[in-house]
Formats: sequence, structure tokens, C-alpha cells
Amino acid sequence: DAGVIQSPRHEVTEMGQEVTLRCKPISGHDYLFWYRQTMMRGLELLIYFNNNVPIDDSGMPEDRFSAKMPNASFSTLKIQPSEPRDSAVYFCASSFKVRETQYFGPGTRLLVL
Amino acid sequence: SQQGEEDPQALSIQEGENATMNCSYKTSINNLQWYRQNSGRGLVHLILIRSNEREKHSGRLRVTLDTSKKSSSLLITASRAADTASYFCATGMRGDDKIIFGKGTRLHILP
Repeated sequence: DAGVIQSPRHEVTEMGQEVTLRCKPISGHDYLFWYRQTMMRGLELLIYFNNNVPIDDSGMPEDRFSAKMPNASFSTLKIQPSEPRDSAVYFCASSFKVRETQYFGPGTRLLVL
Repeated sequence: SQQGEEDPQALSIQEGENATMNCSYKTSINNLQWYRQNSGRGLVHLILIRSNEREKHSGRLRVTLDTSKKSSSLLITASRAADTASYFCATGMRGDDKIIFGKGTRLHILP
């Protein structure tokens, strides 16, 4: 199994631009999580899905952030418009069961200038 | 809100020594997990201990859980340079689907 796949691995963009991050979870995993990691705030849960349905998006910082999961093998996290304070590493993770082991992707390092 | 807090925030030890990290949490849990993160990489799951378990081993790792004190410890024996990483505890709370990560302990193994 290839594990959780994220793309792109690095993204540099200018303030105001739209950013789309992509994730392919491990096949058969029912849960998908999006996290953001910064030095100041640590690892924050943004949103998670169960069977492609968003369950809890209370961690999404504001309306500029949106996430979708159109099918079991693909999810996107979009930021529009992007701001410098969005600069962080964004991780996608998936799990087979609730509250059990999560498998993380390599992350997308986002820099907004 | 943050559930687990690791202690210490940073730890430097000589190669070959044992490393101990602690995690304290606030509310009742279903399980507690430990993850490792190497610089610039994603988190990797190390071990999961359930609320009815007191101790678990995996290779050079030993995890204990004291639910009365709401704390857990991770012991890495005979440390190696490759153990240099950040270590996070994550708690799974009853009635909640998600797990909450602490801010981690940065472990540095000195040659």
C-alpha cells in the first residue's frame, strides 16, 4: 500500500491567490482528517470526514477555508483567498476505525507571500 | 482545546541512554496513542494503549497508562541517533470521533 498521498508537497503562492491541497487516503479507510501544523499552535484538526461526509469542521479557521470529499479516494482542502498567516504544513490522515491509529501523509508545506 | 500535554518540551540525552517522556490529559479517555515525527515528515504511529490497559511494549518502546492520575509515559530504551524526533501523545475521548494531539516533546540523541 502506498500510504496516504498528498499533493503538492510544497506550494508557494502570493496573498490573495487560491490554493488547493489534495489527498488520497488509504483504500478502505472510512475516516479522513485534515490537520494544520505550525510552531506556534502545534497540530490542529481542521475538519474530518466519515464515509465522505464532513462530520466536524469546527476547526476550520474561517470561511476562506473549505474542504470536500467527492469520493472515498479523494479529498481537497481549498483556501481562497490565501493570506500569509495561512503559511503552515497541512497534513491529511486516514484511519480505519474511529479513535484508532491514524496514518499521515507527508504533508504539504504552504508558504503564502 | 488541547487535551494532552507532553513533558518535557525538549530532551537531550546521550546515545545508549533511556529517554522518558510524559503526557498528562484532562478528561476520561478511550485510548491514548503515541506518534513520532521526524523533521519535515508526517507523523508515524508508534503504539496505542487502551483505558483498561496499564502497560504495553513494542520493541524498545514501553508505554504506561495511569488513568487515576490521567497520565502516560513513553520510555525509549537504549536510544539511537535515529530516535531523534518529536514525540506526540494523542487522546481518544469517549463520545468523540477524533483524537487530540499534544504539542510534543522534541528528543535529541547526542552521539
